[in-house]
Amino acid sequence: AQSVTQLGSHVSVSEGALVLLRCNYSSSVPPYLFWYVQYPNQGLQLLLKYTTGATLVKGINGFEAEFKKSETSFHLTKPSAHMSDAAEYFCAVSERGNNRLAFGKGNQVVVIP
Amino acid sequence: GAVVSQHPSWVICKSGTSVKIECRSLDFQATTMFWYRQFPKQSLMLMATSNEGSKATYEQGVEKDKFLINHASLTLSTLTVTSAHPEDSSFYICSARVGLAGLYNEQFFGPGTRLTVL
Repeated sequence: AQSVTQLGSHVSVSEGALVLLRCNYSSSVPPYLFWYVQYPNQGLQLLLKYTTGATLVKGINGFEAEFKKSETSFHLTKPSAHMSDAAEYFCAVSERGNNRLAFGKGNQVVVIP
Repeated sequence: GAVVSQHPSWVICKSGTSVKIECRSLDFQATTMFWYRQFPKQSLMLMATSNEGSKATYEQGVEKDKFLINHASLTLSTLTVTSAHPEDSSFYICSARVGLAGLYNEQFFGPGTRLTVL
């Protein structure tokens, strides 16, 4: 079964600094990989996804992530943090041929002015 | 993108009562809907997968008699928490997807329903 590891439940970053959220996955078949953002008391919004093709994926709000098969990683980055980036971020994996999403524990991002 | 709604957005009920939560795909037909549960400060845990017109598939450890799922149409799935107790208090989120299994099809998430059982 697929699984996701996100380390560091809380991540503090200064406004204007690099945002880096790490995600490592486990999957027995080539995966689909996702990053979602959740604001308080709301559902999930898709930031970006990797399915096939280019391993560097660009998403909304200036975020991007790179699929590295050799490292089983899909880390999320944003060059310059904005106050509006304060939210919970979840990495998720879905195996091809399987509809089910497995989520990591999430990272609560705090942006310091 | 596709829109998924949930109703109600929050509900408070007494212990022992049943609560029904609706999940609707507003501008597309969803062949599959998923129900997740999220405890405070924790991740989403898949409870069950429901395909239109067939019985839901529950994840291990989820009581099917307690969490009744009905997917009667391509735009509506309902989750009924029967005889709710305080430990059932949680944030319930649904998602919907269209397309065939085996192909990539994005899940679109609803805004969630906050259930508080007194």
